[in-house]
Amino acid sequence: GQNIDQPTEMTATEGAIVQINCTYQTSGFNGLFWYQQHAGEAPTFLSYNVLDGLEEKGRFSSFLSRSKGYSYLLLKELQMKDSASYLCAVETGNMLTFGGGTRLMVKP
Amino acid sequence: GAVVSQHPSWVICKSGTSVKIECRSLDFQATTMFWYRQFPKQSLMLMATSNEGSKATYEQGVEKDKFLINHASLTLSTLTVTSAHPEDSSFYICSTGPPNQPQHFGDGTRLSIL
Repeated sequence: GQNIDQPTEMTATEGAIVQINCTYQTSGFNGLFWYQQHAGEAPTFLSYNVLDGLEEKGRFSSFLSRSKGYSYLLLKELQMKDSASYLCAVETGNMLTFGGGTRLMVKP
Repeated sequence: GAVVSQHPSWVICKSGTSVKIECRSLDFQATTMFWYRQFPKQSLMLMATSNEGSKATYEQGVEKDKFLINHASLTLSTLTVTSAHPEDSSFYICSTGPPNQPQHFGDGTRLSIL
């Protein structure tokens, strides 16, 4: 079976840095996605990691360790608009399995 | 990248009504589309994989006779919630995309059954 774990909620302060962790145990692995989802809206793509290491894209970075079944999403210089749910999703074949999502609240 | 159009965006209807949701791939030939359901404060849960020209593959616990999927062309998949009841009220989202690339999601359909 597929098992993907993320913290349920996190709170951080505007301007700070926050790291959202994701651990997974899956049968097969093609890559790992991070999506951002604001309430009532569809998810939007943030990052895709296939190989181990850090991928940086502006204020957002994503890290992957395949041997450890571990990824994190790093958000820098937090803004109020970053308050959203962040979904970790593992791709096996052509299918995505989502973690439970992490609700991030950014406070002034 | 692939663009996905989903409609309707919001449906309110009486219990017992059947509701059809359409998902269109506007610039990509989608042999496979995915249908998800999301309850409040929960993550997306895969309901079924829609395959063009063949039967859909349903996840465990999803009633295929209740959630009818038709994928008759490379640009259109439909999900019909038959005889919907209040417990079917949820946010339904479709997605598609090339293999090993980000999935593109429709805007979602909020279904409210009274």
